[in-house]
Amino acid sequence: KAGVTQTPRYLIKTRGQQVTLSCSPISGHRSVSWYQQTPGQGLQFLFEYFSETQRNKGNFPGRFSGRQFSNSRSEMNVSTLELGDSALYLCASSLEGLAGGGGTGELFFGEGSRLTVL
Amino acid sequence: DAKTTQPPSMDCAEGRAANLPCNHSTISGNEYVYWYRQIHSQGPQYIIHGLKNNETNEMASLIITEDRKSSTLILPHATLRDTAVYYCIVRVVGSGSARQLTFGSGTQLTVLP
Repeated sequence: KAGVTQTPRYLIKTRGQQVTLSCSPISGHRSVSWYQQTPGQGLQFLFEYFSETQRNKGNFPGRFSGRQFSNSRSEMNVSTLELGDSALYLCASSLEGLAGGGGTGELFFGEGSRLTVL
Repeated sequence: DAKTTQPPSMDCAEGRAANLPCNHSTISGNEYVYWYRQIHSQGPQYIIHGLKNNETNEMASLIITEDRKSSTLILPHATLRDTAVYYCIVRVVGSGSARQLTFGSGTQLTVLP
């Protein structure tokens, strides 16, 4: 079956702009989580959505937001972009929400969206 | 979730077994040990997980010590394509409590020809 699909794969923005990234999970997966990866901070959890509700949130400012649609597809938005937002943004889907609910806890990651802020 | 400690880097000769250690001395009884790897510029890939028994799948074996304070991921016959950063993570599964996946720095495994 198809894996996790993230779009766009690469994008360049300037400071102050906003960006929207999209993630389509594996069919049947209802949990979608987002991670930011930078050379300095490594992989950091942003938030997790399950059945259109945000259930977990990492330690990121309010400029980072997300949502999930009824078909489990998810988007994340970053407003007022800063140079430090340049990163690889990874989406992962799971049968199990991070807060439990069945499955083996295995996360399936997409290839990521690489954002460069100039 | 319990914190993990991994060596920052390791080398392994192609065709030999790669043994990657992980220390998780504060692990709780209901926390599983998960291993993921990330090949350069790709998303992390699940490898294996276990609670207290040793586990084996087509990719690797996971050996967990009896006191569960440490574990070892074994790639039995490492290839050049196994060069990646390997992450050891401990987390609760199906607990009903909110958890987030915490990645540490991982171990950069370099398989040498």
